[in-house]
Amino acid sequence: DAGVIQSPRHEVTEMGQEVTLRCKPISGHNSLFWYRQTMMRGLELLIYFNNNVPIDDSGMPEDRFSAKMPNASFSTLKIQPSEPRDSAVYFCASSRGGTVNTDTQYFGPGTRLTVL
Amino acid sequence: QQPVQSPQAVILREGEDAVINCSSSKALYSVHWYRQKHGEAPVFLMILLKGGEQKGHEKISASFNEKKQQSSLYLTASQLSYSGTYFCGTDYTGGGNKLTFGTGTQLKVEL
Repeated sequence: DAGVIQSPRHEVTEMGQEVTLRCKPISGHNSLFWYRQTMMRGLELLIYFNNNVPIDDSGMPEDRFSAKMPNASFSTLKIQPSEPRDSAVYFCASSRGGTVNTDTQYFGPGTRLTVL
Repeated sequence: QQPVQSPQAVILREGEDAVINCSSSKALYSVHWYRQKHGEAPVFLMILLKGGEQKGHEKISASFNEKKQQSSLYLTASQLSYSGTYFCGTDYTGGGNKLTFGTGTQLKVEL
């Protein structure tokens, strides 16, 4: 059974460019999460979806960041325009979204973003 | 509000035990423990629900002290494979979805 799939695994771009990160959650999972990990701030929740609907986007740093989930098997996180301080590892995670007992989050391999 | 983990880092000899603590200033509904190896994604270890339960996973167990709003992760007879960064994720809402992760504890097990 495939886990959470993210692409690309590595992205190097220049300041001002648009960046799009992609995620395919585990089939049958109803909740999807986007996290950012840096040395300074640790692992931060950016936004999460339940049944394709954004539930909490309070962690999105600013308007340059946007996330969509057009269907149950695909989500994107877009940064436009990108800035050097956006450099981080971005993780996507999914969970069944049921009771808390079963709400284990499974993380994808991450996308390492470097903005020059 | 980010939970505080202690210690920040620990080095063990293989076979030694360790305790990692996760403390919150807010009431917790559940605590989720993850381990992340360098360059890899966090991997789920266990969930602790409020009620003070204790859980075990091989030689790794955890407890949840509701009065102290604290969870502790116990690693016994450590193995080289236990090396990594351990994170606690705290659920303040009761829904289990929105986790706030701690600062992490780096654990290194040496021969």
